[in-house]
Amino acid sequence: NAGVMQNPRHLVRRRGQEARLRCSPMKGHSHVYWYRQLPEEGLKFMVYLQKENIIDESGMPKERFSAEFPKEGPSILRIQQVVRGDSAAYFCASSPLLAGGETQYFGPGTRLLVL
Amino acid sequence: AQSVTQLDSQVPVFEEAPVELRCNYSSSVSVYLFWYVQYPNQGLQLLLKYLSGSTLVKGINGFEAEFNKSQTSFHLRKPSVHISDTAEYFCAVTPNSGGYQKVTFGTGTKLQVIP
Repeated sequence: NAGVMQNPRHLVRRRGQEARLRCSPMKGHSHVYWYRQLPEEGLKFMVYLQKENIIDESGMPKERFSAEFPKEGPSILRIQQVVRGDSAAYFCASSPLLAGGETQYFGPGTRLLVL
Repeated sequence: AQSVTQLDSQVPVFEEAPVELRCNYSSSVSVYLFWYVQYPNQGLQLLLKYLSGSTLVKGINGFEAEFNKSQTSFHLRKPSVHISDTAEYFCAVTPNSGGYQKVTFGTGTKLQVIP
């Protein structure tokens, strides 16, 4: 059973370009979470999605960031007009159930570098 | 709202020595508690979690943690560390109230095992 997959693993963008990060949850998991990890900081929650629905986007910056989890295909985190401050590791996690104590399974992350 | 404090950003320890990584949390409601480990350039992996019952929780790789409600702590321990335990460890908390609840992570503790 393949784990959570993220691609690309590394992404380099120039200021003003768009970044698209993809996440395929574990088989059978319908809940996806995105986190951002800045150097020397912990993981910060960004958004929680179920298929075709955004459930909680309270951690998403109001501008330039968007996320989707279509009926078919991976979840996408999109960052428009990237700035240097967007450089970070972005992790996706998935879980099979909604229950509060459910373990989240993490992907290997996408490391975004904005030049 | 919940918060997690990991006071030690780095912990050096000699191989085969015991280690304790500290975690304190703040919450106005009951919580579930987690410890995750992150190896270099990888995603997070669950070590152990406390949901209910016995306050001493055993996890993978010989780690254990004890939930102390009065001190709002969930310290992670291992009696004898190996070189392979060198990694970053994150404590996390989520409210114990059913349904969807956001997970809050601490800032992490880097464990460096010295040969």
